[in-house]
Amino acid sequence: AQSVAQPEDQVNVAEGNPLTVKCTYSVSGNPYLFWYVQYPNRGLQFLLKYITGDNLVKGSYGFEAEFNKSQTSFHLKKPSALVSDSALYFCAVRDAGGAGNNRKLIWGLGTSLAVNP
Amino acid sequence: DVKVTQSSRYLVKRTGEKVFLECVQDMDHENMFWYRQDPGLGLRLIYFSYDVKMKEKGDIPEGYSVSREKKERFSLILESASTNQTSMYLCASSSYSGRSRETQYFGPGTRLLVL
Repeated sequence: AQSVAQPEDQVNVAEGNPLTVKCTYSVSGNPYLFWYVQYPNRGLQFLLKYITGDNLVKGSYGFEAEFNKSQTSFHLKKPSALVSDSALYFCAVRDAGGAGNNRKLIWGLGTSLAVNP
Repeated sequence: DVKVTQSSRYLVKRTGEKVFLECVQDMDHENMFWYRQDPGLGLRLIYFSYDVKMKEKGDIPEGYSVSREKKERFSLILESASTNQTSMYLCASSSYSGRSRETQYFGPGTRLLVL
């Protein structure tokens, strides 16, 4: 069965320090992987995705993520955190071999990132 | 930019009322989705649609129905609202093709309170 795990409910980091938000996945075929961010009382905003190609994906707001097939991980990173990065982050996966019109994403439960001044 | 709009940001309804939540996207996307979001439970898929008049049940369809009469519009209907349907409802859309294929774009959400 397809699944996504975000092992940390909350991550705390000091402003200016690097941040990592972890995501591991399980799919039967090749994965499509996504990161989204949600600010309070807002919808989700797309950050970046991996479908194929370079394992290091760069996205919005200075975020990047590395696809690691052997570890089945897709951790979100940023070299220098900002207070404004404080938000809820979601990882999602779709099986690239999903049959027919099955375009569902499987979502992690989210990780709350707090960046302290 | 893709724009997904939802008919209300906040809604208060009474138990037993029929509730309509509307979602409109302006990017000619084939796929549309309705989720509910509750603390600690993440996003749960209620229904999705991959074409006009087509619908598929998600993970928690009970108590809900949907309608997609036009490609750009996807409605979620609570036939008889109950207090356990108090939640944040999120609509999303995506396309099969192009650079943004498979990327879901979300509306701002509707926070529904059922009294």
